Amino acid sequence: ETGVTQTPRHLVMGMTNKKSLKCEQHLGHNAMYWYKQSAKKPLELMFVYSLEERVENNSVPSRFSPECPNSSHLFLHLHTLQPEDSALYLCASSHQGDPIYGYTFGSGTRLTVV
Amino acid sequence: TQLLEQSPQFLSIQEGENLTVYCNSSSVFSSLQWYRQEPGEGPVLLVTVVTGGEVKKLKRLTFQFGDARKDSSLHITAAQPGDTGLYLCAGGTGYQKVTFGIGTKLQVIP
Repeated sequence: ETGVTQTPRHLVMGMTNKKSLKCEQHLGHNAMYWYKQSAKKPLELMFVYSLEERVENNSVPSRFSPECPNSSHLFLHLHTLQPEDSALYLCASSHQGDPIYGYTFGSGTRLTVV
Repeated sequence: TQLLEQSPQFLSIQEGENLTVYCNSSSVFSSLQWYRQEPGEGPVLLVTVVTGGEVKKLKRLTFQFGDARKDSSLHITAAQPGDTGLYLCAGGTGYQKVTFGIGTKLQVIP
């Protein structure tokens, strides 16, 4: 399968639950990203991994924990989330982290925290 | 903090009409991307522009990068219902540095 694949597409979780989002890419890209998309706000960069090392953490609360076991897979572990964390979570990948190449995004996980 | 302002925020037009949406900043970008996002999907890259004054065409879509590399426009000719979606611009300033706008939500009515 080509492109960036995210699972699950939809997730409803309680504030005390623990869940994980998964992202997979087979494009040969070596940089992967987690973005949060909320209504009426620009995409917010959460984490960046380059060559499997985390290179950026944009002051994201510790209830979000990323993991990048290899260059093709990226996870976002969630625990004790708040209702304001409800949003569309997008995974993206790119070639060498240079914006000139643009990003390939997954379809996203629509997260609802109840 | 670099900001990319997109206008208009919402646009509803009839099929066959032309339209232009804008992306403006006070900052200089080394490159600028336009994406289209359909409901329930992630953004899809349409084009990257890198040179001030550059114009790129993609079928009925024309993209222009401002001479000073601070602004960009997207013009759609003879809009079709398939053009409906959220149009995002994103400015790059270096390695791993990208700023996104809020987007223009376009609805093309058949």
